Amino acid sequence: RKEVEQDPGPFNVPEGATVAFNCTYSNSASQSFFWYRQDCRKEPKLLMSVYSSGNEDGRFTAQLNRASQYISLLIRDSKLSDSATYLCVIHGGAGSYQLTFGKGTKLSVIP
Amino acid sequence: EPEVTQTPSHQVTQMGQEVILRCVPISNHLYFYWYRQILGQKVEFLVSFYNNEISEKSEIFDDQFSVERPDGSNFTLKIRSTKLEDSAMYFCASSDEYSNQPQHFGDGTRLSIL
Repeated sequence: RKEVEQDPGPFNVPEGATVAFNCTYSNSASQSFFWYRQDCRKEPKLLMSVYSSGNEDGRFTAQLNRASQYISLLIRDSKLSDSATYLCVIHGGAGSYQLTFGKGTKLSVIP
Repeated sequence: EPEVTQTPSHQVTQMGQEVILRCVPISNHLYFYWYRQILGQKVEFLVSFYNNEISEKSEIFDDQFSVERPDGSNFTLKIRSTKLEDSAMYFCASSDEYSNQPQHFGDGTRLSIL
């Protein structure tokens, strides 16, 4: 079973649309969860951390379900600048410092 | 906003040669990392470094690789006897005192082995 699994997409959506990304992870000891975005041939950039209570940052909402080992990201009112690959990222359990990345979901927002 | 800087941005090297990739982490960060991303694949963890020693490494990080913090600012990744399959983007990252805080990435070094 893959450690972090994401729908690879691509998701092609019109400007203004709402789009949701899902992610599942296999390591039940994982303690921290993040969404990063990666533009083509660029570095991963932190989009937001994900908390059990759910959290929102402007047009972006992240949810975590520890029981189901499932993470989601919702983007409302999509902008052209949202076009990127969205990476679901898990921080390992106690004593581990590494981040484990999913392969990412590619989003293209179309005018 | 403070950022992680990496040099060079692109390194082209003959197979079998040694390369050194350089990184300057964010100044008040204490945890340092190297990751790589082969074209079209996911980002993979190589090694983490804290308090002047390796704290964790992956199966990829074998004897061919080494890391060093030669002074108070630089963090380097050395790859000996490079192979074609070492061609990838190499990202340096750093995080602050608490190890589960987000890691901030440099813009990477593209390593091309010929």
